[in-house]
Amino acid sequence: AQKVTQAQTEISVVEKEDVTLDCVYETRDTTYYLFWYKQPPSGELVFLIRRNSFDEQNEISGRYSWNFQKSTSSFNFTITASQVVDSAVYFCALSEAKTDSWGKLQFGAGTQVVVTP
Amino acid sequence: DTEVTQTPKHLVMGMTNKKSLKCEQHMGHRAMYWYKQKAKKPPELMFVYSYEKLSINESVPSRFSPECPNSSLLNLHLHALQPEDSALYLCASSQEVSGGPSTDTQYFGPGTRLTVL
Repeated sequence: AQKVTQAQTEISVVEKEDVTLDCVYETRDTTYYLFWYKQPPSGELVFLIRRNSFDEQNEISGRYSWNFQKSTSSFNFTITASQVVDSAVYFCALSEAKTDSWGKLQFGAGTQVVVTP
Repeated sequence: DTEVTQTPKHLVMGMTNKKSLKCEQHMGHRAMYWYKQKAKKPPELMFVYSYEKLSINESVPSRFSPECPNSSLLNLHLHALQPEDSALYLCASSQEVSGGPSTDTQYFGPGTRLTVL
């Protein structure tokens, strides 16, 4: 069963528009970690944020912000005032703190963000 | 700049060739990972090494053979590959302090784009 759902396959925006990427996860664990990674066309996965299940505080880092809501099992990501350099595939991922899931990042399908000038 | 390096960046090989992919991390991490990523798909975990010991093998065909000579280096030996093995191969590392179940952040290298003819 898919544990991380990114329902948006592709989002296209014009520069300076805001864009929100949805991530819904599924787990029975009380302790888990959520991640967002960015993958530009060059291929490298760039780590953006890690959030544990006990910390529901939203976070802002420059133009990036994250909204974690355990009640809806969502960990959404917003890029404010998008720029062309934000064009990439963004992956949401889940890691569960149990022995048989050790080291396993469970990725969503990814959302392609296209920012045009 | 990433502290996980991978060589080569690109590799083209025939089905009878033997080649190796190399990964090195300079962060003092004790866990290292190999992922395979097909186009427009999320990365799929292949192998995990913890403290230079293979801890996870995700039922990968034997034509892929991992090796961890020391805590900073990870190799993936390739032999008798098939065209369907063409993909981006990503290496990652994480801190892994306890030697047990880990949800540490994984940091990825730039990948090797492999084409099997």
